Amino acid sequence: AQSVTQLDSQVPVFEEAPVELRCNYSSSVSVYLFWYVQYPNQGLQLLLKYLSGSTLVKGINGFEAEFNKSQTSFHLRKPSVHISDTAEYFCAVSDMNAGNMLTFGGGTRLMVKP
Amino acid sequence: DTAVSQTPKYLVTQMGNDKSIKCEQNLGHDTMYWYKQDSKKFLKIMFSYNNKELIINETVPNRFSPKSPDKAHLNLHINSLELGDSAVYFCASSQDKGRQPQHFGDGTRLSIL
Repeated sequence: AQSVTQLDSQVPVFEEAPVELRCNYSSSVSVYLFWYVQYPNQGLQLLLKYLSGSTLVKGINGFEAEFNKSQTSFHLRKPSVHISDTAEYFCAVSDMNAGNMLTFGGGTRLMVKP
Repeated sequence: DTAVSQTPKYLVTQMGNDKSIKCEQNLGHDTMYWYKQDSKKFLKIMFSYNNKELIINETVPNRFSPKSPDKAHLNLHINSLELGDSAVYFCASSQDKGRQPQHFGDGTRLSIL
């Protein structure tokens, strides 16, 4: 069975500061990894995905994430955040044995302050 | 053009009623899903359909019944609604298995009085 842990439920940060949202997963097989963002009263929007190849993945809105197989992590980073980045961020994992079933972490609320 | 659309956006009803939520995708995807997001924002898969066939059915009360008339639609019918059913329900779709990201609708906020 696969599982995802997002270590921080909330991350407050000042505008233009860098941010890292942490994600660790567990799975017995090779995985596909995703980060989604949820703005208030909206659905989830894909930020980026790791399927294979380069471990550094770039996504939309200036976000990037690094897949670290030895540490089973997929942390999300942005060098300079904006007020508009305030949202809930979800890490998710899927594997070939799971029938495309996504398992989500508990979410991290990013709060960008002026 | 909306890729995954759900109706209604808000649903307020009383305990014991039966209600349905509709979902349609115009992306040509062959797999559709229902997720439940609770008040703490935790997201959990409920059902997954591939080409109109059920492929995932997590531990969900049998009061919840998905119906897929064709591969572009996956509706969720809920019988005898309970207070604990209050949540946001998301429909999603994807192409292929595992590798392709899922596209989500905007959610249906269900409130049970």
